[in-house]
Amino acid sequence: GENVEQHPSTLSVQEGDSAVIKCTYSDSASNYFPWYKQELGKGPQLIIDIRSNVGEKKDQRIAVTLNKTAKHFSLHITETQPEDSAVYFCAARNAGGTSYGKLTFGQGTILTVHP
Amino acid sequence: DAGVTQSPTHLIKTRGQHVTLRCSPISGHKSVSWYQQVLGQGPQFIFQYYEKEERGRGNFPDRFSARQFPNYSSELNVNALLLGDSALYLCASSLSPNRSNQPQHFGDGTRLSIL
Repeated sequence: GENVEQHPSTLSVQEGDSAVIKCTYSDSASNYFPWYKQELGKGPQLIIDIRSNVGEKKDQRIAVTLNKTAKHFSLHITETQPEDSAVYFCAARNAGGTSYGKLTFGQGTILTVHP
Repeated sequence: DAGVTQSPTHLIKTRGQHVTLRCSPISGHKSVSWYQQVLGQGPQFIFQYYEKEERGRGNFPDRFSARQFPNYSSELNVNALLLGDSALYLCASSLSPNRSNQPQHFGDGTRLSIL
């Protein structure tokens, strides 16, 4: 089955700096890659996603890049703000097979943005 | 618009008991997925339901079961509870069975504690 590795496990930056979180996946048939932000006591919130026919996607301060050949994708947050502090999860999904609704998540990255 | 709603928010049970968790999807969403999130880890896929049928199942024992109702709401049932079942149980909804890579939106979960 799919396996998703996420690094780093913790990331500390100063307000205004950029933050980068990287994930690798094992199943070359995976074709959808969402990123979620989870705040304390809340469920994961979808912040951006990318499909395998696209190499990059941006939404204001957030961008995601995908390298299908290397099977890795990354989240980039620019001009970080203290409210960006949270746990971030990457995930991968294979639309084929018998569990086509299944998202496989990485282990999470605790991002801390210091004022 | 209301997001995914889950009830109860917190629950305390003892070993051997059973529990029922409930989920109402976003209006118009027909697919519901259940995930288990152990503290410090990413969510793990348990089930996906669409049109009242199970469309995917993760690597969980038969003590876990679920169903979906005509109004697309869903229940997750866990029998013979074990200490290791203590976790945050998340429900996610999406428009379709995800073959078109529809995003999944999560509720805030039910925190289940087993004593």
